[in-house]
Amino acid sequence: GESVGLHLPTLSVQEGDNSIINCAYSNSASDYFIWYKQESGKGPQFIIDIRSNMDKRQGQRVTVLLNKTVKHLSLQIAATQPGDSAVYFCAENWGEYGNKLVFGAGTILRVKS
Amino acid sequence: SQTIHQWPATLVQPVGSPLSLECTVEGTSNPNLYWYRQAAGRGLQLLFYSVGIGQISSEVPQNLSASRPQDRQFILSSKKLLLSDSGFYLCAWSTQGDQPQHFGDGTRLSIL
Repeated sequence: GESVGLHLPTLSVQEGDNSIINCAYSNSASDYFIWYKQESGKGPQFIIDIRSNMDKRQGQRVTVLLNKTVKHLSLQIAATQPGDSAVYFCAENWGEYGNKLVFGAGTILRVKS
Repeated sequence: SQTIHQWPATLVQPVGSPLSLECTVEGTSNPNLYWYRQAAGRGLQLLFYSVGIGQISSEVPQNLSASRPQDRQFILSSKKLLLSDSGFYLCAWSTQGDQPQHFGDGTRLSIL
């Protein structure tokens, strides 16, 4: 069935380096994508979103890239900090009225000091 | 600003017992409301969503039910819990279907 998946389950980066977390999606009808950060024992926290009419969107230290041709989504974190350590999920929003969020399995980001 | 509250934070229940988890949202009107379950080390699975009072859509057949008795209140229930109901339950809200969903801090449910 339709699904969203991640290439790398765990990513370790040195503090101060840039991080790139990748995500593949399979539903070509998806038109809205979201990245979430989840710290241990907490609910997912919204980071950034992007709609299918865009291929890049920037926030504070984060950039999301969308490649619709290959159905690929990435999250770039600049100057990664220890507080960025968490599980990162991509999600695609589809279904009638866009009510359904389909989540990937998640990538663990570990930041080494 | 909008806030979302879930309680309890943790719950240990015996098999066969009933369940009621509550979620409330403040600072917004007529939100879309969602219940998700997250298994350990996994992504989130949508269980129910609601676009208005008394309107519930179920995504997967299961031992659980949801109700929305008030605009900003969403309740997850079960008459008889199964071992497989263990997990991390998250409530979320959004202004519309194609807007970001914002999550509460979840309830960790353990079934013994």
